[in-house]
Amino acid sequence: IQLTQSPSSLSASVGDRVTITCRASQGIRSELAWYQQKSGKAPKLLIYAASTLQSGVPSRFSGSGSGTDFSLTISSLQPEDFATYYCQQVNSYPRTFGQGTKVEIK
Amino acid sequence: EVQLVESGGGLVKPGGSLRLSCAASGFIFSDYSMNWVRQAPGKGLEWVASIGGSSTYIYYADSVKGRFTISRDNAKSSLYLQMNSPRAEDTAVYYCARLGYTSSWYHFDYWGQGTLVTVSS
Repeated sequence: IQLTQSPSSLSASVGDRVTITCRASQGIRSELAWYQQKSGKAPKLLIYAASTLQSGVPSRFSGSGSGTDFSLTISSLQPEDFATYYCQQVNSYPRTFGQGTKVEIK
Repeated sequence: EVQLVESGGGLVKPGGSLRLSCAASGFIFSDYSMNWVRQAPGKGLEWVASIGGSSTYIYYADSVKGRFTISRDNAKSSLYLQMNSPRAEDTAVYYCARLGYTSSWYHFDYWGQGTLVTVSS
């Protein structure tokens, strides 16, 4: 199963609403997770089951979708949110990741 | 507190061998499937291999199948990745990650800090 994220990168300002999409090459129900990775650090789980917020993750992050189309939204971008975001499917093996979306400061 | 600490990375020659380790603590290791994920310099995340809690299942990415071996020692709460015949394209930071589950929904909920493997002559 291939995952295609868009855009590959984006520039946004603090306070902006940002949406990243992830499209699966075949249906994966809601078996999708989102991760945030900051430079030089390990990925951090944000959302699983497409829309369930991991404990401790700020509520400005939200996820939606099922089947083949998914999205991650940051309702009001904060300085600490500038990072690269990855989707991952856990429906089947191989456990593929999207190519990543880099969120940069405008 | 859940902790995953990788070790064993370093410089290895093409065709050589290297064994990575991941020491786990803060949870019942045998209850969880474990994974290796890698990230080449400046690139995205690539899933490498998975192993069930009792080693009942093992899966590999096609890119490493036949060269890498994932294993675990539940008595030592440790995960391993034996890398044989590595190639330049295996150069990456290697992370171990736990497969968490909540109400039957799976996700990689804890990650180690990573260990860098450089394959070069």
